[in-house]
Amino acid sequence: KAGVTQTPRYLIKTRGQQVTLSCSPISGHRSVSWYQQTPGQGLQFLFEYFSETQRNKGNFPGRFSGRQFSNSRSEMNVSTLELGDSALYLCASGGSGAIREETQYFGPGTRLLVL
Amino acid sequence: TQLLEQSPQFLSIQEGENLTVYCNSSSVFSSLQWYRQEPGEGPVLLVTVVTGGEVKKLKRLTFQFGDARKDSSLHITAAQPGDTGLYLCAGHPLNDYKLSFGAGTTVTVRA
Repeated sequence: KAGVTQTPRYLIKTRGQQVTLSCSPISGHRSVSWYQQTPGQGLQFLFEYFSETQRNKGNFPGRFSGRQFSNSRSEMNVSTLELGDSALYLCASGGSGAIREETQYFGPGTRLLVL
Repeated sequence: TQLLEQSPQFLSIQEGENLTVYCNSSSVFSSLQWYRQEPGEGPVLLVTVVTGGEVKKLKRLTFQFGDARKDSSLHITAAQPGDTGLYLCAGHPLNDYKLSFGAGTTVTVRA
């Protein structure tokens, strides 16, 4: 079974631009979560989608948004990029649909650099 | 403030030595997971511990969940260079849907 895939793997943007990241979960999984990982803050939860609906949300500004499609693929968008948005963005999928999904399978991440 | 505190932050040891990583919280968790992350990759799940006092073994890795389900430890016996990586603990506190991660412990095993 193919794992979680994320595209692109690397991205360079400038301040003020916007960016869209994509995540394809493991086949059959319906839950997709997004995380931001930085050296200073570690892994921080952004949001979770299940069956095209945002189910949980972390403490990030409204510039961070996402959506999930009917095939469970998910996109994350960051508008008006700031230098501090430079990070590894990780997507994780879960299969059972339980609200408090215990097992998360992570993709390789998208490394975003904002100049 | 991290909900899960990991210690130490960095650990560098010689091949063949043992090491222990700790994950502590003042909150109770329904379960805790341990992940290992290598550079340029996403975290990979090693184990999930669910029951207070539970001990799980994965080859040379031993994971323990505290009796009160507030803490966990990871012990590696006879570490090898392939054990090098960032070790992360994570869990759902009771009544919280969000998965919280510790800051991680960077383990380097020198050949």
